[in-house]
Amino acid sequence: DAGVIQSPRHEVTEMGQEVTLRCKPISGHDYLFWYRQTMMRGLELLIYFNNNVPIDDSGMPEDRFSAKMPNASFSTLKIQPSEPRDSAVYFCASSQIRGTEAFFGQGTRLTVV
Amino acid sequence: AQSVTQLDSQVPVFEEAPVELRCNYSSSVSVYLFWYVQYPNQGLQLLLKYLSGSTLVESINGFEAEFNKSQTSFHLRKPSVHISDTAEYFCAVITISGSARQLTFGSGTQLTVLP
Repeated sequence: DAGVIQSPRHEVTEMGQEVTLRCKPISGHDYLFWYRQTMMRGLELLIYFNNNVPIDDSGMPEDRFSAKMPNASFSTLKIQPSEPRDSAVYFCASSQIRGTEAFFGQGTRLTVV
Repeated sequence: AQSVTQLDSQVPVFEEAPVELRCNYSSSVSVYLFWYVQYPNQGLQLLLKYLSGSTLVESINGFEAEFNKSQTSFHLRKPSVHISDTAEYFCAVITISGSARQLTFGSGTQLTVLP
């Protein structure tokens, strides 16, 4: 398996624009996590899904953030409208229902100017 | 609620010296414990994990960690570090309740190995 795949790797956008981050989890994994990493706050869990259903979205910072998982092989994290303080590295991770290890993607480095 | 505390944000150490990165957790239920490593501009990779059984777990590159339930700790150690061990290290905890699964990370420790 190719591992967790995130796209794009880098995104630079202007304030106010919509941004969509994409993630393809490892096949057969039932859990999908979205994290945000910044120098100030470290790694923050934004939301996670189990069998495509959002379980806990308490980490989503504002209504500007939304996440979907339309099927087992694809998830998106959308920010609309984007703001400079959203600049961070966003990671997607997946794990099996019986396993406990989370596998991480390479991350998307988002810069909002 | 669970939490993970990594007391040291920066640990500089000379090559071939021993190192210990500290991790303490709090949880009201049983936990699984992990150490992840992040090299520059990369995602997190699992270094080692404790699920059950022996409280001392080892990685393939010489790191080890010991689960201490009474002290709620899972410190990471290596007897002799290399330049290539320079990275950020994250301690993480999973609590499982039914189908819910909460993976919580500490704030990270930047290990810098000096020549």
